[in-house]
Amino acid sequence: GENVEQHPSTLSVQEGDSAVIKCTYSDSASNYFPWYKQELGKRPQLIIDIRSNVGEKKDQRIAVTLNKTAKHFSLHITETQPEDSAVYFCAAPPGGATNKLIFGTGTLLAVQP
Amino acid sequence: DSGVTQTPKHLITATGQRVTLRCSPRSGDLSVYWYQQSLDQGLQFLIQYYNGEERAKGNILERFSAQQFPDLHSELNLSSLELGDSALYFCASSVDVGEQYFGPGTRLTVT
Repeated sequence: GENVEQHPSTLSVQEGDSAVIKCTYSDSASNYFPWYKQELGKRPQLIIDIRSNVGEKKDQRIAVTLNKTAKHFSLHITETQPEDSAVYFCAAPPGGATNKLIFGTGTLLAVQP
Repeated sequence: DSGVTQTPKHLITATGQRVTLRCSPRSGDLSVYWYQQSLDQGLQFLIQYYNGEERAKGNILERFSAQQFPDLHSELNLSSLELGDSALYFCASSVDVGEQYFGPGTRLTVT
C-alpha cells in the first residue's frame, strides 16, 4: 500500500550544525519527492523537490538525495539557523495518473542558538 | 504568499452542522487537492479534482464531499459534523503533476 515513513520525529541541533531527515516510501512507481516546511499555524511551504531521474539536488543550504533502489530520500540542511526551526514533511505520490501526496509524519526541527 | 486562497480562515460550529470551505487555486493551475491536518493523523489527502473532474480520492468520509467549478475554484462540504472533524483543512493546487502549493488553510473547530 501507499506509505511514507519519516525519521526522526524530533531533532534538536546547535546553530551552525547540520540536520538530516530521512524518509522511506513504499510505492516503487513514485517519481517525485517534495519536502515541505511548516511553521506553527502556517501553511506547508515547498522548499525543495527531486525527481526520480536525478540522485541529488541542492539549493543553497538545503539538499535532497534520492536512492531509488532502496526507496529512500533525505533532506540535508547545512549551517542551520534559528529560523530553520519548524516541522518538515517529506511526501511522495503513488504511481498512476494522480499527483496526490502521501505525507510522512513530520520532523520537528529545533535549532538552538 | 503561494497564490492559493482559502476562506474562511476560522470556522467554529456545533456537532451535527454542515459547513462549506472554499478554495481558489493559483492562476493557471488546473488541479486542486484537499488535505486534512490533525494532531493525531498528520497531513491526510482527502480528494483531488482536475479541471472539474474528480481524479483521486483518499480517506475522505462519506459525510464529506467536494466539487470543482468551471472557474476552477473548489468547495469542500462537511456535514453531520463530529468533534473529531476539528482540524486544519488545506487546499493545494498544481498545474498537473509536480509542485503543489498550499493555501493558508481553514481551521475548523466543532464544539
